[in-house]
Amino acid sequence: SAVISQKPSRDICQRGTSLTIQCQVDSQVTMMFWYRQQPGQSLTLIATANQGSEATYESGFVIDKFPISRPNLTFSTLTVSNMSPEDSSIYLCSVEDAQASTYEQYFGPGTRLTVT
Amino acid sequence: GIQVEQSPPDLILQEGANSTLRCNFSDSVNNLQWFHQNPWGQLINLFYIPSGTKQNGRLSATTVATERYSLLYISSSQTTDSGVYFCAADFAGGTSYGKLTFGQGTILTVHP
Repeated sequence: SAVISQKPSRDICQRGTSLTIQCQVDSQVTMMFWYRQQPGQSLTLIATANQGSEATYESGFVIDKFPISRPNLTFSTLTVSNMSPEDSSIYLCSVEDAQASTYEQYFGPGTRLTVT
Repeated sequence: GIQVEQSPPDLILQEGANSTLRCNFSDSVNNLQWFHQNPWGQLINLFYIPSGTKQNGRLSATTVATERYSLLYISSSQTTDSGVYFCAADFAGGTSYGKLTFGQGTILTVHP
């Protein structure tokens, strides 16, 4: 299975600032996904990040607020812009395991963001 | 719309007890996964099971795709089984490829 790392693991940020979260995979993958988990809630997909193309955002999420980069097949970043306390969440990236002939997805350890 | 519903929302067990968690989904799926989220927030893959039955130690899962439900069985529960269990589905067709829709989770607490 793919091994995924995220940086930072946690951060406390002031409102109005921005934070960029990195996601690194140990193998090349076509599709990477970014999810948000608000406190006490389930996970919600923010966007799909494909290498060489614009990210595809889900309803309720916009590029100006959550810009995403996907410069190569092993790396992606998600920026949370102009943060407010409502952005306090765990942000997780996931990938489909390209080594397997299934759709199974694996998740990074998450970035726990607190906005004050 | 596309929905994944889990039950029960909360479950409290004594160590050694068995339990069954249920996941209902609203449409055909390419992917159906069960995860355990530990207290540090990490999602641990339990089963990839769009159909059929699988077992891994004390855990097993069954998905009946034609009836659109999946069950996760935990036998001889241990305190380390505590946490949140999520079911997530990638629905077939349309433009939903690879996008997991999560249920609301079952919070499991196992007391010693």
